[in-house]
Amino acid sequence: EVQLVESGGGLVQPGRSLRLSCAASGFTFDDFAMHWLRQTPGKGLEWVSTISWNSGHRGYADSVKGRFTISRDNAKNSLYLQMNSLRAEDTALYYCAKVHYYDGRGYFEYWGQGTLVTVSS
Amino acid sequence: IQMTQSPSSLSASVGDSVTITCRASQSISTYLSWYQQKPGKAPKILMYAASSLQSGVPPRFSGTGSGTDFTLTISSLQPEDFATYYCQQSYSDPWTFGQGTKVDIK
Repeated sequence: EVQLVESGGGLVQPGRSLRLSCAASGFTFDDFAMHWLRQTPGKGLEWVSTISWNSGHRGYADSVKGRFTISRDNAKNSLYLQMNSLRAEDTALYYCAKVHYYDGRGYFEYWGQGTLVTVSS
Repeated sequence: IQMTQSPSSLSASVGDSVTITCRASQSISTYLSWYQQKPGKAPKILMYAASSLQSGVPPRFSGTGSGTDFTLTISSLQPEDFATYYCQQSYSDPWTFGQGTKVDIK
């Protein structure tokens, strides 16, 4: 059974940093690209970042580019999101997700339960 | 690519048939997925490639469309179907979601 378990969320002041983690199990982690998404009541669901199986490709939403860094440790079956220079608008529930690809596109097949990040002074 | 769902919410009764529409701001072929989300839970994939039912999803869910216009239909609504539904395109980066349609009990 595929399991994705996020951790690391919390309350942080604007301008500070936070590192999210996602522990994966139930599949061969180093065979798959992984993603971070976030959800807020106001903006809905938003894709945040992706990393390829070997970390050779990383992509970011424009809203986080230059501030967030995605990484992974295949030996630990873990995905990370380093979030710097946090803003109030980064407040959200953050999910890690595994995609099922077809024809070069895909859908988010498995999601974690999410970890809440609140940016406030 | 902007994804626009309608309606934003609807009220229906058990047994009703409901249809949710998703429109893309440009053609996305059939690279369209639908998700169901219940309160406090992560989204769950229902359909992909516009009309392919994900394994384990009841056949009362169906999807149609291509290009810019898509629909998700739930025939004979069941109590467990009251939730929020989202569409998502994977035609081009960044993958984007509709704003959601909440289906609640009339």
